[in-house]
Amino acid sequence: GQQVMQIPQYQHVQEGEDFTTYCNSSTTLSNIQWYKQRPGGHPVFLIQLVKSGEVKKQKRLTFQFGEAKKNSSLHITATQTTDVGTYFCAGLNNFNKFYFGSGTKLNVKP
Amino acid sequence: DAGVIQSPRHEVTEMGQEVTLRCKPISGHDYLFWYRQTMMRGLELLIYFNNNVPIDDSGMPEDRFSAKMPNASFSTLKIQPSEPRDSAVYFCASSPGLGTSGADEQFFGPGTRLTVL
Repeated sequence: GQQVMQIPQYQHVQEGEDFTTYCNSSTTLSNIQWYKQRPGGHPVFLIQLVKSGEVKKQKRLTFQFGEAKKNSSLHITATQTTDVGTYFCAGLNNFNKFYFGSGTKLNVKP
Repeated sequence: DAGVIQSPRHEVTEMGQEVTLRCKPISGHDYLFWYRQTMMRGLELLIYFNNNVPIDDSGMPEDRFSAKMPNASFSTLKIQPSEPRDSAVYFCASSPGLGTSGADEQFFGPGTRLTVL
């Protein structure tokens, strides 16, 4: 069945290093959303991508949607301790069904 | 708006007891979602409603779980009887749409931490 796989599961980086998490779907997605969840908190929306090959930036964060609309990535440049948390992708398929990725837990060492 | 409101924030109960979780979505949002989060299984979509009608309940684990949305401002998730493996954080979220015609982000509530002993 439909799945949205996300890798890596964990990432530990030194402050200032870059970070990337990848999301892959078994089928084409209508759109993909990214969320961030701080420890003990709830998921908070970051961005939505809709178009094939779309790239969006939010300060140090860069989001990409693959040409085939089956994969996506989130890249953080020069991580800061405030980036700590778990990053989730959520894909909507052509049958209006949502699938959340398993999340990538980011830890940033000062 | 106060955002999505969930109650209770914490619930501790004994195995076999009935548990009811409550959610008040953001006014004007047509979609309401129930999620369960555990360390082992991550964030799972249980069910979602559109205009108070259940659209996809394929994520509901078993018959012990039921969800209702009697009106646009209230939804419940009931577990009866509860079991220790139901222990998790349950999130409710609402959104204006599914993102098919614009950025329809989901606004999550603070969650209910359920512990079944």
